[in-house]
Amino acid sequence: ETGVTQTPRHLVMGMTNKKSLKCEQHLGHNAMYWYKQSAKKPLELMFVYNFKEQTENNSVPSRFSPECPNSSHLFLHLHTLQPEDSALYLCASSQASGSTGYGYTFGSGTRLTVV
Amino acid sequence: AQTVTQSQPEMSVQEAETVTLSCTYDTSESDYYLFWYKQPPSRQMILVIRQEAYKQQNATENRFSVNFQKAAKSFSLKISDSQLGDAAMYFCAYRSARNTDKLIFGTGTRLQVFP
Repeated sequence: ETGVTQTPRHLVMGMTNKKSLKCEQHLGHNAMYWYKQSAKKPLELMFVYNFKEQTENNSVPSRFSPECPNSSHLFLHLHTLQPEDSALYLCASSQASGSTGYGYTFGSGTRLTVV
Repeated sequence: AQTVTQSQPEMSVQEAETVTLSCTYDTSESDYYLFWYKQPPSRQMILVIRQEAYKQQNATENRFSVNFQKAAKSFSLKISDSQLGDAAMYFCAYRSARNTDKLIFGTGTRLQVFP
């Protein structure tokens, strides 16, 4: 078991749909992240939350809306997506500042296809 | 801004042999952390090895070791006694010791292991 759980594993949605991705961690971490992974491109950091507060929005279009109700849960709400948004969306968690030497713990991602 | 470059899109190795994956990075900082992550077909990113920039000694984890050349900004991964289960995408990543939010990735190297 990974420690970071993402659901759903696969998602196909139309451009007019609204859906949400969910991420959950029970590692006691206080920072959570959304990354987008597209073929042949570096992983793109989308959003960062520290202690439930958003500390980074990497110029992500407003059709992606994150939500972090507590340090263990992170959501990514999707609406009116474009085909180029099709990708693997990875969630990760880590200890926040003070433990910078640690990497992240990742989930297995949601494979999103926009049709 | 920091960047990470992996110049080998694909590598292959025979079982039990040794392979080295290359990574270079660009930064003006002196204090940072470097990581190698493995992403198998299950999609979960798994931390393989980490290196603190202030340590001259190269990190080692069982069959995995790094060659960290700080002046050259090079951080290669050596896999000894390769196993079929080592087949995966390998990502090099950088994390500043000051800005703790961002883990910056390269584009990855796909490693194939032949019996």
